[in-house]
Amino acid sequence: QLQLQESGPGLVKPSETLSLTCTVSGASISSRNYYWGWIRQPPGKGLEWIGSIYFSGSTYYNPSLKSRVTISVDPSKNQFSLKLSSVTAADTAVYYCADIINPDAFDIWGQGTMVTVSS
Amino acid sequence: DIQMTQSPSSLSASVGDRVTITCRASQSISSYLNWYQQKPGKAPKLLIYAASRLQSGVPSRFSGSGSGTDFTLSISSLQPEDFATYYCQQSYSTPYTFGQGTKLEIK
Repeated sequence: QLQLQESGPGLVKPSETLSLTCTVSGASISSRNYYWGWIRQPPGKGLEWIGSIYFSGSTYYNPSLKSRVTISVDPSKNQFSLKLSSVTAADTAVYYCADIINPDAFDIWGQGTMVTVSS
Repeated sequence: DIQMTQSPSSLSASVGDRVTITCRASQSISSYLNWYQQKPGKAPKLLIYAASRLQSGVPSRFSGSGSGTDFTLSISSLQPEDFATYYCQQSYSTPYTFGQGTKLEIK
């Protein structure tokens, strides 16, 4: 059974880089059957797609964040990661990782991790 | 970007009621429309994908329909566990976008 778990610092200072990891269990992250994505949700607000990475290594980012976002895969650890640079208070949110099924629906989600940007 | 607009933003209903939530896209998205349920403090759960396909394990009282720009999520007979916030999401083109959510509350 596929499971995902986010991890990373809960507090990040303004202008620094937010780094999160999603550990996948129950499947190989390099499998052709899986795509992976990150979504965030500011407190009390709706959902925002951050970006996705495919088994080929191709990445797709939300243009509103593209200049600051990097998503990568570490097959040796069965993990994928998110880096968001130059953060501000507007980046305070619960960050979710998820697997993506055809047609690009977010199927299995991690529990989410709250990240606060504050000095 | 494709804008997704849900209506209503909130809805009060009773156990046993049939409810319908609407999602409208700012341009045609064919059937690239997904529905999620989110309960407080929890991650969203995929209910419906490709507009009308029920995800495995989701009760059959949930159904989706529509294509092009107009879509609906229906719950045939509300159960206590169905009171939650529902989101639509288009997967026709990036950036993938979500509706603002519909909060379904107990009357």
